[in-house]
Amino acid sequence: DAGITQSPRHKVTETGTPVTLRCHQTENHRYMYWYRQDPGHGLRLIHYSYGVKDTDKGEVSDGYSVSRSKTEDFLLTLESATSSQTSVYFCATQDRGGDNEQFFGPGTRLTVL
Amino acid sequence: LAKTTQPISMDSYEGQEVNITCSHNNIATNDYITWYQQFPSQGPRFIIQGYKTKVTNEVASLFIPADRKSSTLSLPRVSLSDTAVYYCLVGVRFRDDKIIFGKGTRLHILP
Repeated sequence: DAGITQSPRHKVTETGTPVTLRCHQTENHRYMYWYRQDPGHGLRLIHYSYGVKDTDKGEVSDGYSVSRSKTEDFLLTLESATSSQTSVYFCATQDRGGDNEQFFGPGTRLTVL
Repeated sequence: LAKTTQPISMDSYEGQEVNITCSHNNIATNDYITWYQQFPSQGPRFIIQGYKTKVTNEVASLFIPADRKSSTLSLPRVSLSDTAVYYCLVGVRFRDDKIIFGKGTRLHILP
């Protein structure tokens, strides 16, 4: 498995505060993804990156921003957290994009009070 | 991006063969069919991928008919540890389309 870590693994925060989640990979994969998973909605793509400084929006990008200044790190920022952003967040990486296998991290459980 | 339809949930018993069918009527010529498995409190993991006919690995088999408008994931002799959510993805494109996992099929294996 690709070495993918996410930090923090659990976080509780208050509405209106900024939150940054970090995804770190050791496999030198070019593509990285942030998903959120909520009951009844399955896995939904927030943002993705196809290289350093190259990112694009997924289907649920409102309220989120991302940055990728190094190949190994992909940051997800909630500028002003809301209760609707309470979720489990997964990071994934992929070597060659397209239909190729994605490798997922262990997830971050975020609670916004 | 080809839309997929799969059952929301399924129950089966230990030792049985389980087949989960996914419909993808508007699959494109270049699209592959990919299945992921997700255990509780973990991220999804890749199980199998195919383009046509049959693909088999140590975990599962994937059957794809000639028209490719559907596919069936087959899990032989399931155990309790196969309880998971299974996602069918078709035609994942990067920069062209959005990657959509959908809600998957929640498989519950009973003793």
